[in-house]
Amino acid sequence: KAGVTQTPRYLIKTRGQQVTLSCSPISGHRSVSWYQQTPGQGLQFLFEYFSETQRNKGNFPGRFSGRQFSNSRSEMNVSTLELGDSALYLCASSLIGGNNEQFFGPGTRLTVL
Amino acid sequence: AQKVTQAQTEISVVEKEDVTLDCVYETRDTTYYLFWYKQPPSGELVFLIRRNSFDEQNEISGRYSWNFQKSTSSFNFTITASQVVDSAVYFCALSGAGARQLTFGSGTQLTVLP
Repeated sequence: KAGVTQTPRYLIKTRGQQVTLSCSPISGHRSVSWYQQTPGQGLQFLFEYFSETQRNKGNFPGRFSGRQFSNSRSEMNVSTLELGDSALYLCASSLIGGNNEQFFGPGTRLTVL
Repeated sequence: AQKVTQAQTEISVVEKEDVTLDCVYETRDTTYYLFWYKQPPSGELVFLIRRNSFDEQNEISGRYSWNFQKSTSSFNFTITASQVVDSAVYFCALSGAGARQLTFGSGTQLTVLP
């Protein structure tokens, strides 16, 4: 079974631009969560989607948004990029029902110049 | 609010030594879930184990073992006879019942020297 895939793997943007990251979950997984990892703040939860609806959101500004498609694929968007948005963005998928473990993708490394 | 503390920032051991990674958590939930993940240099988080709050049985999987103690709110992870390939950052995480949002500790960088 293929794992969680994320594209692109690396991205370089400049301040003020916007960026869209993509995540394809494991086949059959309907929940997709996004996390931001930085050296200073560690791993922080961004949001979770299933059934094309945002179910939970972390403490991030409105510049961070996401969506989920009917095939469970998800995208996250960051508008008006800031230097502090440079991070590894990790996507995780899981089954619905109970607290099933989350399986993570390889991440997208975003650098904002 | 939930909190996970991994007090050990970095640990260095020589191959074949045993090593224990500490994890202390805080939660008001009576039902919750604890996890350990491994993050090698490639960056992907690899799931290692999930433990439910109502199951305090220790678990062993090969060279890995986990000790869950609700009385001290700890969920420690031991690697027996460590190997160079065990070098990675290890994260302990917590989620409440009915939620898939993970609260992570700050991670422990384990280096196993040959």
